[in-house]
Amino acid sequence: NAGVTQTPKFQVLKTGQSMTLQCAQDMNHEYMSWYRQDPGMGLRLIHYSVGAGITDQGEVPNGYNVSRSTTEDFPLRLLSAAPSQTSVYFCASSPLRTVTQYFGPGTRLLVL
Amino acid sequence: DAKTTQPPSMDCAEGRAANLPCNHSTISGNEYVYWYRQIHSQGPQYIIHGLKNNETNEMASLIITEDRKSSTLILPHATLRDTAVYYCIVRGGGSTGANSKLTFGKGITLSVRP
Repeated sequence: NAGVTQTPKFQVLKTGQSMTLQCAQDMNHEYMSWYRQDPGMGLRLIHYSVGAGITDQGEVPNGYNVSRSTTEDFPLRLLSAAPSQTSVYFCASSPLRTVTQYFGPGTRLLVL
Repeated sequence: DAKTTQPPSMDCAEGRAANLPCNHSTISGNEYVYWYRQIHSQGPQYIIHGLKNNETNEMASLIITEDRKSSTLILPHATLRDTAVYYCIVRGGGSTGANSKLTFGKGITLSVRP
């Protein structure tokens, strides 16, 4: 199993540009989520999904959209990037009835 | 969710046991204690979890006090690769997707010295 994969590893955007951060898992996990981590801070939940077709907001959802069309994939979309979205983004997945989550390697995003 | 309190940092010598404390005085009866760690620039990694009994796996041991208001993560023989931020998280058992959400605080930075 590849586990949780994220692409790209690193991205530079200009303010106002849009992009999609990709996340995929091959463990057939129902639950998937996106976190962001800023320097010196813990992880903050952006959006999560309990299965295909179902998504919900986390702690800091503004400026981000998600969709879940398949069990495997959970992309995170930035419609109009802002410098405040400069961060490291982590995707995670887990079976539905557990909080033992598996994290991807992260995407480092710089918005100029 | 119950709040957890961890000291900001600690260090230990390589080869010695690292004992990482966590206070969770408002924990409720159905909440588990989870530990994750994050090695620099990597995604968090699950270590261990427990409800009220002590737990041990290949990575660590978890000691939970009888009143469940605090716990200690023990790395029995710390190595330089154990240098990381360790997060103590209290969460209910995952009966629905919403219960799978994790709240990460700032954690405790463990530095293992040669």
